[in-house]
Amino acid sequence: GDSVTQMEGPVTLSEEAFLTINCTYTATGYPSLFWYVQYPGEGLQLLLKATKADDKGSNKGFEATYRKETTSFHLEKGSVQVSDSAVYFCALKSGGSNYKLTFGKGTLLTVNP
Amino acid sequence: DGGITQSPKYLFRKEGQNVTLSCEQNLNHDAMYWYRQDPGQGLRLIYYSQIVNDFQKGDIAEGYSVSREKKESFPLTVTSAQKNPTAFYLCASSRTSGADYEQYFGPGTRLTVT
Repeated sequence: GDSVTQMEGPVTLSEEAFLTINCTYTATGYPSLFWYVQYPGEGLQLLLKATKADDKGSNKGFEATYRKETTSFHLEKGSVQVSDSAVYFCALKSGGSNYKLTFGKGTLLTVNP
Repeated sequence: DGGITQSPKYLFRKEGQNVTLSCEQNLNHDAMYWYRQDPGQGLRLIYYSQIVNDFQKGDIAEGYSVSREKKESFPLTVTSAQKNPTAFYLCASSRTSGADYEQYFGPGTRLTVT
């Protein structure tokens, strides 16, 4: 079945540091890939997405590129801020008419001033 | 404003009682979902519904029940058969056609059972 593996946290960085959160997946067909962010005590918000190989999703300074050859969708940001402290989830939707998402376990990011 | 509302934000119950969590959306989405979130385990799918009057079990449906009588509403009942009901519950919705099919989440309900 489908699965998503993302790097375990917690990740602690200083403000303005470079961020990478690794995400790899296993899926049949050609999945769509997503990154969601969850701030403390809240629901999830879509951060970015990519629907086909070599697509780059970007939003709020975050980027991720859909790499089919390595089945990866790593999240990056060049300069993190304290306000980026949150839990980040990688997720996939398999092709076809099933609209379920499969989530990774989440990575807690803490950015210190 | 379009969105998903979940109520209440915090819910406390005694062991052995059933409890129903509310989820309403005004996004005109066909599909709705319930997830459970526990520390270190990510999100696990409880039930989902892709059309009114129809729903399917997710990965951890035991001890839960749902109904989908209206497109806008997808309430979740946590029954006394659920062995570890204390958790954060998230409702989501999505379209089932077109290019915009990502899931939109509500703010969650934190259920504590003692």
